[in-house]
Amino acid sequence: IAGITQAPTSQILAAGRRMTLRCTQDMRHNAMYWYRQDLGLGLRLIHYSNTAGTTGKGEVPDGYSVSRANTDDFPLTLASAVPSQTSVYFCASSEDSNFPPYGYTFGSGTRLTVV
Amino acid sequence: GQNIDQPTEMTATEGAIVQINCTYQTSGFNGLFWYQQHAGEAPTFLSYNVLDGLEEKGRFSSFLSRSKGYSYLLLKELQMKDSASYLCAVKDSNYQLIWGAGTKLIIKP
Repeated sequence: IAGITQAPTSQILAAGRRMTLRCTQDMRHNAMYWYRQDLGLGLRLIHYSNTAGTTGKGEVPDGYSVSRANTDDFPLTLASAVPSQTSVYFCASSEDSNFPPYGYTFGSGTRLTVV
Repeated sequence: GQNIDQPTEMTATEGAIVQINCTYQTSGFNGLFWYQQHAGEAPTFLSYNVLDGLEEKGRFSSFLSRSKGYSYLLLKELQMKDSASYLCAVKDSNYQLIWGAGTKLIIKP
């Protein structure tokens, strides 16, 4: 089934630890995105990639890094986790960053708790 | 700054009609999206408006007025499964999506 796979589904992480959230899509979409979703706030963009080999910073990039070595994978790394990074993280993709009439396809999310 | 406003929560009765409003102030406009998100799940695409007017898709319709910075999502013949959050998002001049906080819709029998 075509779509986006995120792993892990949920994680409890000790503060100060490093962690990588995985995201893989099989739709050959050019653009990929990482969002965090917190109660009472809209989805906030962390990082994005318009095409393989390029990345950009979103609204809340501090403490996070990404890479886009190929079309399918877009991992998000927390170098040293802090409690404020407790959130639900969604990976999304679209065919083209500029003309997505059908919007984004989202993964099922990773619920991360930093203690 | 950029801003998307939606009501936090709405309640409606099964079988009725509900309208969820969204107002926006963004740097540029390249389309407005509505997404549905059930609790604990990912958002799923509902509709896209880039020109003024009404787009109808089954029980759901979405309206856009660019001059007023306003959109609404109309849900007809409400079903219990429509209980979800509805997210409004606007693509700005940089083609980045700006998201509202979402409207939680509660359907009562």
